[in-house]
Amino acid sequence: EAGVTQSPTHLIKTRGQQATLRCSPISGHTSVYWYQQALGLGLQFLLWYDEGEERNRGNFPPRFSGRQFPNYSSELNVNALELEDSALYLCASSSARTPGQGSDTQYFGPGTRLTVL
Amino acid sequence: QKEVEQDPGPLSVPEGAIVSLNCTYSNSAFQYFMWYRQYSRKGPELLMYTYSSGNKEDGRFTAQVDKSSKYISLFIRDSQPSDSATYLCACFNSGYSTLTFGKGTMLLVSP
Repeated sequence: EAGVTQSPTHLIKTRGQQATLRCSPISGHTSVYWYQQALGLGLQFLLWYDEGEERNRGNFPPRFSGRQFPNYSSELNVNALELEDSALYLCASSSARTPGQGSDTQYFGPGTRLTVL
Repeated sequence: QKEVEQDPGPLSVPEGAIVSLNCTYSNSAFQYFMWYRQYSRKGPELLMYTYSSGNKEDGRFTAQVDKSSKYISLFIRDSQPSDSATYLCACFNSGYSTLTFGKGTMLLVSP
């Protein structure tokens, strides 16, 4: 069974530009989560999508946004990039929306390393 | 105070040693607890998943949860150089369906 896939592997942008990161969940998983892993800060929850809708978001500004497509793949967009947005962006997927029925078990992709110059 | 505290290490041990990794948490709403292993430049890999207080064993790994003291541990027996990685504890709040991670402990197992 294929795991969570993310593209691109690396992305280099300059300040003020926009970045688009993509994620394909494990087949059969409907929930997609996005996390930011910046140096020294650990994994920070960004966004949760399920069945095409945003269900929850972490403590990040609105320039971090995304969407989930009918095939459950997802896209994370970061507008007006800042230097501190440089980080590893991780996508995870899980199999159920209802807490306690699988959404707690999240499987991660390899990440996209975003560098902002 | 962060919701999940974890000593960043690094923790260096010789091959064959028993390793103890620990986290404390402050939010009583956390119901499920996980340990992830993350190799350099890779995504986190789920190692252990626990719900109730007590021990759960899987091969060389034992996860322990003490909800009364809000303390979670991962023990690795007969550690191997291939165990060298960063270990992340994570706590799940079912009310918000979110995982809160510790910062991770870097483990180095020398041959």
